[in-house]
Amino acid sequence: DIQMTQSPSTLSASVGDRVTITCRASQSISGWLAWYQQKPGKAPKFLIYDASNLESGVPSRFSGSGSGTDFTLTISSLQPDDFATYYCQQYDSFPLTFGGGTKVEIK
Amino acid sequence: QVQLVESGGGVVQPRTSLRLSCAASGFTFSNYPMHWVRQAPGKGLDWVAVISSDGNTKYYADSVQGRFTISRDNSRNTVYLQMNSLRAEDTAVFYCARDRVRGYDAFDNWGQGTMVTVSS
Repeated sequence: DIQMTQSPSTLSASVGDRVTITCRASQSISGWLAWYQQKPGKAPKFLIYDASNLESGVPSRFSGSGSGTDFTLTISSLQPDDFATYYCQQYDSFPLTFGGGTKVEIK
Repeated sequence: QVQLVESGGGVVQPRTSLRLSCAASGFTFSNYPMHWVRQAPGKGLDWVAVISSDGNTKYYADSVQGRFTISRDNSRNTVYLQMNSLRAEDTAVFYCARDRVRGYDAFDNWGQGTMVTVSS
């Protein structure tokens, strides 16, 4: 199975900050990576697919990059609505696997 | 707009069974593979199973292989998850999710989830 490791597990930031979350795969997954945002008590929201493609309707302050084993999600200017937990997910092979999540908290 | 509505969750005893349903609307259901993903209380996301658009191909996580069965009825726009021999560690919110394209892909739409609690 491909293990996905996110860092940090928790991140404290202020509105307006630039935020970067890292996701590392235990083996190469090419660019087969997605990012999701989840708020407490809600279903995950799809943000990015194929490592760097923004889903329709997602604000342009979100961006993704990387290939192979190392990936990043960047929020260019953190907004109040962005405080949430973020997950990466690989879809290179079964079983599909998620990272452990990164909680973005208010500093 | 795409809508996925899960139902069938509840509180059950260990070693019993439960069937979850996910009713889809707002898109051509028969064109898309569908997944189940779960989330234990306070934990991360855990993929459970996928079924192809025609229902002929299925894959499962090792943790549920042999106990859970995914199926679909394209005439009813519904995907199911039959869960047998339930264990305490199966306690979770279960989400159905639409596959973006390939059958092993990102999940572009999610339901609101249904809670399953396995407890004696």
